[in-house]
Formats: sequence, structure tokens, C-alpha cells
Amino acid sequence: KNEVEQSPQNLTAQEGEFITINCSYSVGISALHWLQQHPGGGIVSLFMLSSGKKKHGRLIATINIQEKHSSLHITASHPRDSAVYICAVRSYTNFGNEKLTFGTGTRLTIIP
Amino acid sequence: SQTIHQWPATLVQPVGSPLSLECTVEGTSNPNLYWYRQAAGRGLQLLFYSVGIGQISSEVPQNLSASRPQDRQFILSSKKLLLSDSGFYLCAWDSGLGADTQYFGPGTRLTVL
Repeated sequence: KNEVEQSPQNLTAQEGEFITINCSYSVGISALHWLQQHPGGGIVSLFMLSSGKKKHGRLIATINIQEKHSSLHITASHPRDSAVYICAVRSYTNFGNEKLTFGTGTRLTIIP
Repeated sequence: SQTIHQWPATLVQPVGSPLSLECTVEGTSNPNLYWYRQAAGRGLQLLFYSVGIGQISSEVPQNLSASRPQDRQFILSSKKLLLSDSGFYLCAWDSGLGADTQYFGPGTRLTVL
């Protein structure tokens, strides 16, 4: 079992729909990141969460530390939101440094 | 402002040939530097990270190696590439323990034939 699991793996929705992507993890973490990867491969960091909820524009990210679960929501989805969304958890290595462990991503396609 | 560069953008190499991918960061000092690989259809995998010049930690055993000859330069190398080394290689940096954002380079797409 992977340390970070995302669902769904693929999601296709109509423009305007409310989107939810889920991330569950099994290790102790210091923070959780949501990343967006565009078709060309470039990656952009969307959020870093250690508790509660964050909002940026149409994007909302929540985390429940006790349940080891995070969700990324997109309101009023648009075709330009089409991308792969990746959940990553920040934890400590055996050397005491921090590292990121990534989920396999959710491929989102928004149809006009 | 900080920027991160990677080159080359794409690379096609035969099996058994050497590899050198370079990553440089501008606009920051003493960053933590990371090399990730994303194989086709799979998630990102941390390969190496570095907290300072000459300090390299490896997360997975493989035929790749990394070096940090300067504060803002991180190099990924191999003496002999394998088919399984094909993938998308990403360099990233952050400001260290507790950093709230990790910044990624544009990536290098490596195909080993």
C-alpha cells in the first residue's frame, strides 16, 4: 500500500461543476501539499496545509489530521483547470531531514 | 526573485551511455535541493536531496548519482543508463526545514533506447 493514496485517479466533469479530489496518507506528517501538473510537465505548488482549510480563488483545500485525509475542491470548474493534481505529504527521513512523498495524481479533465 | 533552471529539456540516449542533468537555482542562498523522477503513469519519486554543498542523501538505491559542487547547482548523473531510467526528471528547491513551498524546475524528459 502506498503511503499516499489519491482518488479518483481520473475525473472528467462539465464546465461549472464542483470538483473534489481526495488524498489519504498513512504516515505522520508535518504538512501536506497540493500540486498542479500541466500537460507539458511543469509543476506548480497550490497549497501547503498543516491544519484546517485554505482558499485561493476557486480552489479550497482542507485537511483532517486525525483522519489523515485531505481534499482539494474546485468551484465553478473551467477547462483551464484541466491538469493532474498531486497530493504530497511532508515527513521526516531517517536522517532527520524533511522529504515529500507523492501520490500518483488525479487527472482532471473539464469539458466545455 | 528566485528561479530554477534545468537542462536539457529533452534527451534521448542509448542504453549504456552516460548521463548528466544539470539544475541551477538563482535568487536564493543555501537552498535544499531535490531530484525527483516521474516514470510514465506513476507518481513522483524522490531520488536525492541535498541540504548543502557536497551533502547528498539518496532515498532509493539505483544506478544514478547526484552531486552538489556549488551552493546552487545540483547535478544528476549516471555512468551507464538503463532502459528503466527513462522518465521525467524534476529538480526542486525549498528554503529548508518547515518551508511551506517547494519550487520545481521545468523538468527534463529522458528517453533511453
